[in-house]
Amino acid sequence: GAVVSQHPSWVICKSGTSVKIECRSLDFQATTMFWYRQFPKQSLMLMATSNEGSKATYEQGVEKDKFLINHASLTLSTLTVTSAHPEDSSFYICSARDVSRGDNQPQHFGDGTRLSIL
Amino acid sequence: GQNIDQPTEMTATEGAIVQINCTYQTSGFNGLFWYQQHAGEAPTFLSYNVLDGLEEKGRFSSFLSRSKGYSYLLLKELQMKDSASYLCAVMDSNYQLIWGAGTKLIIKP
Repeated sequence: GAVVSQHPSWVICKSGTSVKIECRSLDFQATTMFWYRQFPKQSLMLMATSNEGSKATYEQGVEKDKFLINHASLTLSTLTVTSAHPEDSSFYICSARDVSRGDNQPQHFGDGTRLSIL
Repeated sequence: GQNIDQPTEMTATEGAIVQINCTYQTSGFNGLFWYQQHAGEAPTFLSYNVLDGLEEKGRFSSFLSRSKGYSYLLLKELQMKDSASYLCAVMDSNYQLIWGAGTKLIIKP
């Protein structure tokens, strides 16, 4: 159980393009999902917490107008990187918890999206 | 503030045993998690400790001492595929995960 699917796995696009990444919980409902970014050889960094039916909570230093998060259903959250530039190239990973089993459940991760902006 | 410390890198030999330590200072405690992350991949869940003591799961075991703010992940009979980063994360009083920077484990033949 607790499977999280993330799509696409890999994106290469031109500078100025907007890119949408989807995160789905396949066998449970997730009122909260998490978006992380990881640069090569660096730590996992939480960008924002996505809340179903309400606004996302962004971490300090993350531009909410740059990284748009929509959590329209209990199984889907999307992250849109708007007007992407080369410095946005990174590994983006989503995660979710199956809190129907309790608040202390582990986060389960999608496979990640490798974003390369030319 | 909240802080998780773990060694940056460790090296061990195939077939041996290695212990990866993690110390933490957080606002409340609702459990400690260990994740494995291979290069270029997303983390995968390994273990969860909320009570003091040792939890064993095959070749991997995880230990917790809440009074000392300390945990370790023990890997036995090391295999080359165990080469990865191991992330320690603590769930605070708000059920938010606080992540360590990870320990890169290098296995040599």
